[in-house]
Amino acid sequence: GAGVSQTPSNKVTEKGKYVELRCDPISGHTALYWYRQSLGQGPEFLIYFQGTGAADDSGLPNDRFFAVRPEGSVSTLKIQRTERGDSAVYLCASSLTESAEAFFGQGTRLTVV
Amino acid sequence: GQQLNQSPQSMFIQEGEDVSMNCTSSSIFNTWLWYKQDPGEGPVLLIALYKAGELTSNGRLTAQFGITRKDSFLNISASIPSDVGIYFCAGHNYQLIWGAGTKLIIKP
Repeated sequence: GAGVSQTPSNKVTEKGKYVELRCDPISGHTALYWYRQSLGQGPEFLIYFQGTGAADDSGLPNDRFFAVRPEGSVSTLKIQRTERGDSAVYLCASSLTESAEAFFGQGTRLTVV
Repeated sequence: GQQLNQSPQSMFIQEGEDVSMNCTSSSIFNTWLWYKQDPGEGPVLLIALYKAGELTSNGRLTAQFGITRKDSFLNISASIPSDVGIYFCAGHNYQLIWGAGTKLIIKP
């Protein structure tokens, strides 16, 4: 597609449930990033993929968070046993290479009730 | 962890006025980026700076990468209503470290 696509755009889930957030990067972009943005804050780095491998997952807050990119294209961010504090906008970005400019999707707004 | 200090937090200005915002960091970055984010959208890149001391313009926007590679400013000249939004600075090594944003509000 023309840009980074994230689905769903909005997700409301109950505390304790499992959610998956999907990111379709720009075709051909090898680098993919997940960020989390709380209201009134800048995005906070979660994880960075180069190809299929997670090159840096130091931003994942705890072991309830996991992300995959099995074929080096689409990525899924998975959150287990969701907590109300997980409520935020989850942004995905991709770039042609690690050092190139990143382009962002519109984000998935996750609300845990 | 690494943090960027972005100021001001918000600005109320008249249409036509010039705007200036800046970011500082305790860490050195290879690249400084300025993004604009509209409500419900992801950030959109405005200007990328790659060299210390670099001054780059994009239309009415001008940004500079500080000599020490620890700071940057963004200027917007002759602001117009569509400039409203939140502006973020971000430092890039291999991941983006973001400022907290500057919210620009234009009084009609």
